[in-house]
Amino acid sequence: AQSVSQHNHHVILSEAASLELGCNYSYGGTVNLFWYVQYPGQHLQLLLKYFSGDPLVKGIKGFEAEFIKSKFSFNLRKPSVQWSDTAEYFCAVNSPTSGTYKYIFGTGTRLKVLA
Amino acid sequence: ETGVTQSPTHLIKTRGQQVTLRCSSQSGHNTVSWYQQALGQGPQFIFQYYREEENGRGNFPPRFSGLQFPNYSSELNVNALELDDSALYLCASSPPGDSSYEQYFGPGTRLTVT
Repeated sequence: AQSVSQHNHHVILSEAASLELGCNYSYGGTVNLFWYVQYPGQHLQLLLKYFSGDPLVKGIKGFEAEFIKSKFSFNLRKPSVQWSDTAEYFCAVNSPTSGTYKYIFGTGTRLKVLA
Repeated sequence: ETGVTQSPTHLIKTRGQQVTLRCSSQSGHNTVSWYQQALGQGPQFIFQYYREEENGRGNFPPRFSGLQFPNYSSELNVNALELDDSALYLCASSPPGDSSYEQYFGPGTRLTVT
């Protein structure tokens, strides 16, 4: 069965620190990959997505992610975090050959940025 | 452009009761998916509707059922509520065409079963 692992459940950083959140998935076929962010009290918002092409994708708010097929990974990065990045981050995978658009989500990483 | 909306925002029900949650998809979107997000967990796929038909189902029992209407809005019905059904229920809609794998989420309905 498909699954998504986010190994960091809680991360605390100071402002201006660099961020990398891990995401690994288990599925051998073609995948679409997503990172979503959930700010306190708000709904899930799409940060970035990978469907095909350049494995380094850039999203909103200075976030980027790199798809490494050989490692089944799609890690999220930001060079310098801000206090406003405090949120929960979810990695999700979709298989375009599955016949549905269902997402498999990881359990999320809570990021707290200290001012 | 109006995003995905859900109603109600919060709901408290008693074990054994039935509940209906509602979702209006984003304008132009024809696919609706429902997810359950338990506390401290990522969203889990319940099912998806496309052109008023169920188009995929996750590992949820038959007492979770749904509908999609001609205007692409949708309902999630849960019968015989159990305490473990307490969660945030998320609706997501997807546009047709090349962007159909993108999902846009609503704010959710927080269901508490006592």
